[in-house]
Amino acid sequence: NAGVTQTPKFQVLKTGQSMTLQCAQDMNHEYMSWYRQDPGMGLRLIHYSVGAGITDQGEVPNGYNVSRSTTEDFPLRLLSAAPSQTSVYFCASSYSGTTATRYGYTFGSGTRLTVV
Amino acid sequence: AQTVTQSQPEMSVQEAETVTLSCTYDTSESDYYLFWYKQPPSRQMILVIRQEAYKQQNATENRFSVNFQKAAKSFSLKISDSQLGDAAMYFCAYRRGGNKLVFGAGTILRVKS
Repeated sequence: NAGVTQTPKFQVLKTGQSMTLQCAQDMNHEYMSWYRQDPGMGLRLIHYSVGAGITDQGEVPNGYNVSRSTTEDFPLRLLSAAPSQTSVYFCASSYSGTTATRYGYTFGSGTRLTVV
Repeated sequence: AQTVTQSQPEMSVQEAETVTLSCTYDTSESDYYLFWYKQPPSRQMILVIRQEAYKQQNATENRFSVNFQKAAKSFSLKISDSQLGDAAMYFCAYRRGGNKLVFGAGTILRVKS
C-alpha cells in the first residue's frame, strides 16, 4: 500500500529557481490538496483539487501553481522560489463528497524545502 | 471563515499521567467533523481520533478520548496513561461538508520519564 507518495523529501533551492514537488496517490481519491507547515501557524492550504481537471486556490496560493491531469497526480510548482517559501510541504488526499467528510485525509511524508 | 485555535503552544506530562490538550473552533455550520492529528519527529501526520458534530457521545480510541462541547465550540483531547511514544506535535482540525481541512497552530507535547 503506497498511499500518498511525495518526492523529494528534502530540497534546497536558490532564490529565483523553479521546481516541482510531486504527489501521487493510489487510493482513487477524488480530493487532493497541498499544505505548507510553518512554526506557530499549523498547516495552511495552498491549492486543492476535487477531481481531474479541477483546481482551486486555498489560503496561501501566491507563488505556487498546480494542475490535475489525472486522478492520481497533483504536482505543485514553485515558479520563482523565494526565501519566504522555505517550509515543509504536505500533500494530502481523501474521498470527496459529504458522506466522505467523516474521514480524515491521508498525508504524504512531507518535503522540507529550503530557499537560500 | 472557519478558524481553529489551540491556546497551548507546549504541554508537558509525566509518563503514566493524564494530559488534556485544548482546542476551540469557530463555525456557523451545524454539521461538521473534528479531528486530532499527531505529528511525531518523523513528520508523518497520523490521525488520532475524529468526532462527528451530530453525535453527542464523545469519541474514544484506546488511551485517547475527546471532550466535545458543541455549544461552547470546544474539542479537547485527553491522553491517559501517557507514554514516551506520545511525545509529538498535536494538531486539532475542522472539516465541514466539502473537503477543506482547517488546522490549528499545534501543541507540542513533551513526555517526561
